[in-house]
Amino acid sequence: GQQLNQSPQSMFIQEGEDVSMNCTSSSIFNTWLWYKQDPGEGPVLLIALYKAGELTSNGRLTAQFGITRKDSFLNISASIPSDVGIYFCAGGAFGNEKLTFGTGTRLTIIP
Amino acid sequence: DVKVTQSSRYLVKRTGEKVFLECVQDMDHENMFWYRQDPGLGLRLIYFSYDVKMKEKGDIPEGYSVSREKKERFSLILESASTNQTSMYLCASRKSSYNEQFFGPGTRLTVL
Repeated sequence: GQQLNQSPQSMFIQEGEDVSMNCTSSSIFNTWLWYKQDPGEGPVLLIALYKAGELTSNGRLTAQFGITRKDSFLNISASIPSDVGIYFCAGGAFGNEKLTFGTGTRLTIIP
Repeated sequence: DVKVTQSSRYLVKRTGEKVFLECVQDMDHENMFWYRQDPGLGLRLIYFSYDVKMKEKGDIPEGYSVSREKKERFSLILESASTNQTSMYLCASRKSSYNEQFFGPGTRLTVL
């Protein structure tokens, strides 16, 4: 199946830095979702976006639904050690039960 | 809070064994999904069910079957486990008409 292009693939940052990642698609989606997965665990939903141009925050996390409906962005401000993990985007279309997932961005915090 | 639970976190089985992976959700969700996750391949959909006794093949159904006899429970069955089915298996559920899927903690299956 199709996978969304997510970049960067990996990031090595210092605690306190801000983080930006994005996800792009050749298809239009009605929904963009952002998940975080800790090692050995299932993905946890962070943010759901439903409208083009929408900007939504969840604590230090902010995500945006791109105006073209073909991309989405996730920012993490002032990173902390528990932010370490893999972040996945997912696109959904109304009337379609399936999600299309991104390839993931692995975030590592350098001590 | 949505809760999706999976029967085992870790499982070790031998080639040729029949394996059952169970998933239960407590939010009255209509749709349930089984994925496998492998390094470099991302999340791949095996089967999904949009309601009780209904099932649809995903992208990689070969070697798997599913059962959904009750709304809250979705089982993945490996009829004859093979080493290439060693993987992390993730169950998810969602309310129909919403796109958010909620995942369980995963079952790491090793087939020897």
